[in-house]
Amino acid sequence: GQQLNQSPQSMFIQEGEDVSMNCTSSSIFNTWLWYKQDPGEGPVLLIALYKAGELTSNGRLTAQFGITRKDSFLNISASIPSDVGIYFCAGQHSGNTGKLIFGQGTTLQVKP
Amino acid sequence: NAGVTQTPKFQVLKTGQSMTLQCAQDMNHEYMSWYRQDPGMGLRLIHYSVGAGITDQGEVPNGYNVSRSTTEDFPLRLLSAAPSQTSVYFCASSDRGSAKETQYFGPGTRLLVL
Repeated sequence: GQQLNQSPQSMFIQEGEDVSMNCTSSSIFNTWLWYKQDPGEGPVLLIALYKAGELTSNGRLTAQFGITRKDSFLNISASIPSDVGIYFCAGQHSGNTGKLIFGQGTTLQVKP
Repeated sequence: NAGVTQTPKFQVLKTGQSMTLQCAQDMNHEYMSWYRQDPGMGLRLIHYSVGAGITDQGEVPNGYNVSRSTTEDFPLRLLSAAPSQTSVYFCASSDRGSAKETQYFGPGTRLLVL
């Protein structure tokens, strides 16, 4: 089945460092979403992107919808220990609401 | 407003047993979906529904059945469990009426099939 290629697969960083992760696809999406999953919980939406080129921030998080509509990135600035978790990108085609295609996830560990 | 709720939280089955994973939402969302999460594979769509009485298959539907008799509930049925169905299952819902369609996930059901 179709999947998004998300990288890196995992990151182990020092508190205070910036983090960057990205997703690429072979097909075009009309919506890009970034989720965070804490251990034992369901994914929680962080940022939603609806237009090519859109750059959106949510506190220390910034995400961009690629111009080609086939990629997106998420940046976390000045990481803190509570940023630990798995981050997923997800894409949604037009007219297929309710059907998200997920990346494999990026596991982030932050060393205090 | 409880959001999306799932029961049970944990379940152990023997191969060949059947069971139903329950999902309910109290946000009056039209769209509901079921995903399974396996290590290193992200979440994969099993079945989804765009409204009461309407369901469709996702990426990995084999071995699972769904029905949507009400807006609030979207149960997932395993008719004859197999070890390959060991996974974490997430239900999600979203509001078709919103211009910004995003999904809200439940806490998950962890299923082990022996």
